[in-house]
Amino acid sequence: AQSVTQLGSHVSVSEGALVLLRCNYSSSVPPYLFWYVQYPNQGLQLLLKYTTGATLVKGINGFEAEFKKSETSFHLTKPSAHMSDAAEYFCAVSDRSSYKLIFGSGTRLLVRP
Amino acid sequence: DTGVSQNPRHKITKRGQNVTFRCDPISEHNRLYWYRQTLGQGPEFLTYFQNEAQLEKSRLLSDRFSAERPKGSFSTLEIQRTEQGDSAMYLCASSLPPSGVSYEQYFGPGTRLTVT
Repeated sequence: AQSVTQLGSHVSVSEGALVLLRCNYSSSVPPYLFWYVQYPNQGLQLLLKYTTGATLVKGINGFEAEFKKSETSFHLTKPSAHMSDAAEYFCAVSDRSSYKLIFGSGTRLLVRP
Repeated sequence: DTGVSQNPRHKITKRGQNVTFRCDPISEHNRLYWYRQTLGQGPEFLTYFQNEAQLEKSRLLSDRFSAERPKGSFSTLEIQRTEQGDSAMYLCASSLPPSGVSYEQYFGPGTRLTVT
């Protein structure tokens, strides 16, 4: 069975600092991996995805993630945090039959002025 | 393209009542997914449709839950005899058929259910 673990339910950074949100997955087949962002009382918005090909994936709003098979990781980074980045971030792995998403428990990013 | 819409956005109901939520997917998307998200957790898969066919149901979907997608367009999720444990955000997502370039699910804003 597939699963996702997000280390750190809360991450706090200063504005302008590096953002690093951790995600490790478990999958018996090559995974499709996703990062979604959720603002309060809203649905989820796709930040970026990895399916095949280049392991460094760039997404919206300056975010990127690197797929590391040997570490079963897909960590999300952004060089310089902005106040508007404060939100909940979810890592997900996709089942390859139904393509349903299996989510981690989320990481709340706080950005300090 | 107005995106995925869900109605109502908020629903407060008393325990034991029935509730129905509606999801309108992006028009050309033939796959539609329902997820449930409780406070402080990631969304959990409930069920999905390809066109009008319901192809998979999670064990989370007890017999009090039923979902339909008549004619492969909008979908409804009904909860009968609601319980306080049903309080959650119910999210709908839609997607094109999975292909070499597209596996993205687009989410609606969700329906927040509160059972009192």
